[in-house]
Amino acid sequence: NAGVTQTPKFRVLKTGQSMTLLCAQDMNHEYMYWYRQDPGMGLRLIHYSVGEGTTAKGEVPDGYNVSRLKKQNFLLGLESAAPSQTSVYFCASRDQNTEAFFGQGTRLTVV
Amino acid sequence: GQQLNQSPQSMFIQEGEDVSMNCTSSSIFNTWLWYKQDPGEGPVLLIALYKAGELTSNGRLTAQFGITRKDSFLNISASIPSDVGIYFCAGYERGGSNYKLTFGKGTLLTVNP
Repeated sequence: NAGVTQTPKFRVLKTGQSMTLLCAQDMNHEYMYWYRQDPGMGLRLIHYSVGEGTTAKGEVPDGYNVSRLKKQNFLLGLESAAPSQTSVYFCASRDQNTEAFFGQGTRLTVV
Repeated sequence: GQQLNQSPQSMFIQEGEDVSMNCTSSSIFNTWLWYKQDPGEGPVLLIALYKAGELTSNGRLTAQFGITRKDSFLNISASIPSDVGIYFCAGYERGGSNYKLTFGKGTLLTVNP
């Protein structure tokens, strides 16, 4: 049982580069979330999706874009990475009858 | 937007001691969740609460859903070294139109053997 899988697990970017983080879930969950975790700040919601083809902004959406073209995948994009986006990113999924499952995280460093 | 205030931010305790942490919200929820994050891992669900006043246990862990529906508490009894980690609370309105899942800032627990 894979659950929620995030790729890549680690990445180093130069300022201004772009990249996409992939989240894949095999539980047929409707809702998917992207969070960032920084020391002392807890888990802050970036964007979320309540179904295929839908996305919505969370608490800290600036500098990020997302897409949910397939129900099982939720992509987080950084168009022009900045050092302030150095963080650990977590994806989670849930549905109406199941609480959120998290992926293992992606550690991103922007230099 | 909804805010969750979790306290304390960190705790340093001796093995065998009991631990209490709590979470308060500016909004009313019908679901409270407690997660634990081990170092280098993603958060894992410990306990889910669905009814005001509910008291639920999972081994040495006990969580309560406050009767005001704006707070929740987590207690860990007889702590052991593997209890080390970050504990997060989360709350939301199950069945409502707000699908956001918001977390507290976490409580970092250190257990000295």
